[in-house]
Amino acid sequence: EIVLTQSPGTLSLSPGERATLSCRASQSVSSSYLAWYQQKPGQAPRLLIYGASSRATGIPDRFSGSGSGTDFTLTISRLEPEDFAVYYCQQYGSSPPKGTFGPGTKVDIK
Amino acid sequence: QVQLVQSGAEVKKPGSSVKVSCKASGGTFSSYAISWVRQAPGQGLEWMGGIIPIFGTANYAQKFQGRVTITADKSTSTAYMELSSLRSEDTAVYYCAAGKIFGPFDYWGQGTLVTVSS
Repeated sequence: EIVLTQSPGTLSLSPGERATLSCRASQSVSSSYLAWYQQKPGQAPRLLIYGASSRATGIPDRFSGSGSGTDFTLTISRLEPEDFAVYYCQQYGSSPPKGTFGPGTKVDIK
Repeated sequence: QVQLVQSGAEVKKPGSSVKVSCKASGGTFSSYAISWVRQAPGQGLEWMGGIIPIFGTANYAQKFQGRVTITADKSTSTAYMELSSLRSEDTAVYYCAAGKIFGPFDYWGQGTLVTVSS
């Protein structure tokens, strides 16, 4: 079973700064079945990125994903006030479905 | 656009079971994969299991094997998650999530708080 590790645990940044979040898998994630989700307090998660680098519908282009194999990155080019949240990576892509999540990275205001 | 509406909050005694429902609308229920994800207070997301209604076969995380049952009723576009032998550590918000087969979780329910307390 694939284990996902995210770093850092917390990222303290100011609005306008660039955020770089890392997700590492214990073994290769096939066909880049790697997604990123954003979760704000009291809300359900929201899909941001799938297939490692494709933005979900309605996601601003300041969010971008990259990587393959075991190392993946979510980049937020310029943080907006609404971007301060927790971000989770997820490995998916099987039938029946599976969906292992990483422990999350909290992006908070410096 | 798929919408997922979950059943309301539950308070359960240790050792009992809980069954949470997730009703889908706005899409072709049978063609989606439905998963259940839980989140304990202040903790991260934990995938519990999933099902593809058109096939009826469920897949469970090893941690929950033998204690969770996920089913789907195509006639009512509703998925269910039943968790048995509840303990205090099962206190969490339980989410259903839907997506294309082999796809990520595009759509999420609003969450159902299950509290396990004596």
